[in-house]
Amino acid sequence: ETGVTQTPRHLVMGMTNKKSLKCEQHLGHNAMYWYKQSAKKPLELMFVYSLEERVENNSVPSRFSPECPNSSHLFLHLHTLQPEDSALYLCASSQDWSSGANVLTFGAGSRLTVL
Amino acid sequence: GQNIDQPTEMTATEGAIVQINCTYQTSGFNGLFWYQQHAGEAPTFLSYNVLDGLEEKGRFSSFLSRSKGYSYLLLKELQMKDSASYLCAVRDGDYKLSFGAGTTVTVRA
Repeated sequence: ETGVTQTPRHLVMGMTNKKSLKCEQHLGHNAMYWYKQSAKKPLELMFVYSLEERVENNSVPSRFSPECPNSSHLFLHLHTLQPEDSALYLCASSQDWSSGANVLTFGAGSRLTVL
Repeated sequence: GQNIDQPTEMTATEGAIVQINCTYQTSGFNGLFWYQQHAGEAPTFLSYNVLDGLEEKGRFSSFLSRSKGYSYLLLKELQMKDSASYLCAVRDGDYKLSFGAGTTVTVRA
């Protein structure tokens, strides 16, 4: 596989469930990101990892817990979510911050619905 | 905070030209990006401007004026497959991208 792969593509969960979103990149990039995309709203940066170290935690509620075990994999662990957390969660990766444009490559997203 | 504005929707005819404007007020500036996102798909990179002026890539061009906090994306010879959302984003540091809400372009036959 190439690019950035996210699983599952769709997830429906209750407010008391625990689930995880997975992201894998096959580009040899060193940085990985989680973004939240809600309808008609700008993408919101949630977390940033560089070389498996978290460098940004953008005031995200603790019910979202990221994990980056290596530079190719990123997880978002979800527990006791609220209905307003329903959104498209996008993973992205980039080469590194010293390389000029530092273009993000996005995955297709995981569509989350919280009942 | 960051403020990035772009129109919500635009409609144009196949073969025509459409210009999507983006204005920004950010605490710093380290480049402006345009991404294309088809419904249900990943955003894909279109263009990057860090200096003033016009960057041309085939049917798509992007312009930047840093002094005015302004950019536009120009789509020429529109095709049906260009129907998508177009996202303007500004980088204000090493890695942090702030996005606009996106402009949905509908191309009609």
